Formats: sequence, C-alpha cells, structure tokens
Amino acid sequence: GIQVEQSPPDLILQEGANSTLRCNFSDSVNNLQWFHQNPWGQLINLFYIPSGTKQNGRLSATTVATERYSLLYISSSQTTDSGVYFCAVGRRGSGNTGKLIFGQGTTLQVKP
Amino acid sequence: KAGVTQTPRYLIKTRGQQVTLSCSPISGHRSVSWYQQTPGQGLQFLFEYFSETQRNKGNFPGRFSGRQFSNSRSEMNVSTLELGDSALYLCASSREDREQLFFGSGTQLSVL
Repeated sequence: GIQVEQSPPDLILQEGANSTLRCNFSDSVNNLQWFHQNPWGQLINLFYIPSGTKQNGRLSATTVATERYSLLYISSSQTTDSGVYFCAVGRRGSGNTGKLIFGQGTTLQVKP
Repeated sequence: KAGVTQTPRYLIKTRGQQVTLSCSPISGHRSVSWYQQTPGQGLQFLFEYFSETQRNKGNFPGRFSGRQFSNSRSEMNVSTLELGDSALYLCASSREDREQLFFGSGTQLSVL
C-alpha cells in the first residue's frame, strides 16, 4: 500500500515564526488532504490539494504530485496553531472516496 | 450548517462487551467513513458507507462492523471488546462529488 512520511515529527516554534511541514508519499495519488488536530482531538480539514497551490489566510499548501510530495506552510504562527498536523492521501475511484492513508503527523508547539 | 455529530463522546466498557457508536453526517453528505486512532498505530481506515452500502473496508477483524441508514446516519459496532480496542473512533463525511473529508469530534472508547 501507499506509504506516507511526514517531517519533522516534532516542531517547537516561537510565536510569530514561520514553518514548513513536509509530506512524502510512495505512489501516485489523486487525493491529498491536510488536517489539523487540536488538543481536544478535533480534526479540522485545512486543504484538499491533490496538486497545485492553495492559500487560506496564514496557511498555504503546495503539492507536486509528479514528485510525490506536499508542503504545508504556516506563517506568523500563533499559539492556537499548536496541535498535530496530518497529511492524508488516497486514490479516487470507485469505492475509494472515503479511504485515506494518514501519515504519523507533525506535532507543533507554538510558544508565546 | 451543523458539522459531523458523533455520540457518545466518551464510553467505558469492559472486555467481552459490545459497543455501538453513532455518527450523523453533514446535511447533504452521502458518504460516511470511520477511522480508528491510537497512539501506536495512528489513524487507520475502518470502512466507508455510501447509500447504505459498504463500499470499502480496512484491515480490521470481523468484530468491527457498521451500517448506514437511509438518512445517511451511520453506526459502527464492535463486538467482544478487547483491551486493544481502546481508541478514539472518528467519523467523517463527504459529498459524493468532492472528496474533502470533514470529521466529527470522535468517541473516546476505553476498554477495561
């Protein structure tokens, strides 16, 4: 099956700093999503980005599908950005809509 | 628009018992998928339902089952509980024409 590797596993930032999280995957995919899990366990969908670049406020993401990686950029980090960031991939097709393979996550701590 | 609703939020059971978890998807979403999250294995896909039919299943024993009703609400059942079934169980929904997944807050199951 598809393998998903995220780096770094842990990241500590000072408030206001920028960061880049990376997701590598082992096979071709046409479904890639980034999630943020807050300290209460809620998984929030940040981006659906199988290819290209998207931006949403201080967050942006880029996926280069041909080279099998995706990047999540966090600018001017805030303490509320703390939590675990997951990359998840899948292959769209009959019966595969809901099936995503998750990476192990990057745990981000933003200090005030 | 209400998000994905999961009940109960917390559950404590003993080995050998069975448990039923409930999930109400976002209005208009017809696909419901379930994931198990543990510290050791991370997030793992359990199964996906669409229009009351199971479309996809992960690598879990037959003790894990689910169903979807005509109103898209879904339930998952775990029979003969084992200590290793202790986990956060997450439900997600999506529209058929878009694969972006939206997760509920989860049910934290503890098996004693």
